[in-house]
Amino acid sequence: QQQVKQSPQSLIVQKGGISIINCAYENTAFDYFPWYQQFPGKGPALLIAIRPDVSEKKEGRFTISFNKSAKQFSLHIMDSQPGDSATYFCAASGSGAGSYQLTFGKGTKLSVIP
Amino acid sequence: DTGVSQNPRHKITKRGQNVTFRCDPISEHNRLYWYRQTLGQGPEFLTYFQNEAQLEKSRLLSDRFSAERPKGSFSTLEIQRTEQGDSAMYLCASSLGAGDFSGNTIYFGEGSWLTVV
Repeated sequence: QQQVKQSPQSLIVQKGGISIINCAYENTAFDYFPWYQQFPGKGPALLIAIRPDVSEKKEGRFTISFNKSAKQFSLHIMDSQPGDSATYFCAASGSGAGSYQLTFGKGTKLSVIP
Repeated sequence: DTGVSQNPRHKITKRGQNVTFRCDPISEHNRLYWYRQTLGQGPEFLTYFQNEAQLEKSRLLSDRFSAERPKGSFSTLEIQRTEQGDSAMYLCASSLGAGDFSGNTIYFGEGSWLTVV
């Protein structure tokens, strides 16, 4: 069964600190790994995405690290700000049949305190 | 770019009633998706359209659920004989292509909250 396991469930970080969220997947056919950010009452918005042929991708303060052999990937938020407080979801999909199906983790609620 | 639009944003209905949600995707996006999200969970895939064709339905989509996308534009999701377990946020999303790393990002709407009492 396709699954993406995400941890931690919640995270509290001081302003300026580094937030780290981890995900693990089982299906080796997955080849697209996006992270979505969701604010209360809003739909998820794409933050950053990676393919398994690279080990790291950085966009501004957000970095994805990818470990293909361990089937794990993580989101690092550098210099975390109160405005980053939201729920973050990792997701995965494949390029074969069913590539349109994003399988999401259960989410991590991030609180950045001043 | 007006984004993915969903209506109504909130719906409270009595158990057994029918409800219908509408989704207007980003113009020219040929792919449209419906997901369901409950509190504390990530979105779960329900169904997918490419243009007007419904190409895939999740096992989560029981016989009481029906989705349409006439003319490949807007889409409707109808739930018949609602049950309390149907209470959730129903998310619509759209993309221009496969939604993969080629840059065809999947854009989500703000969701339609359903409460069945």
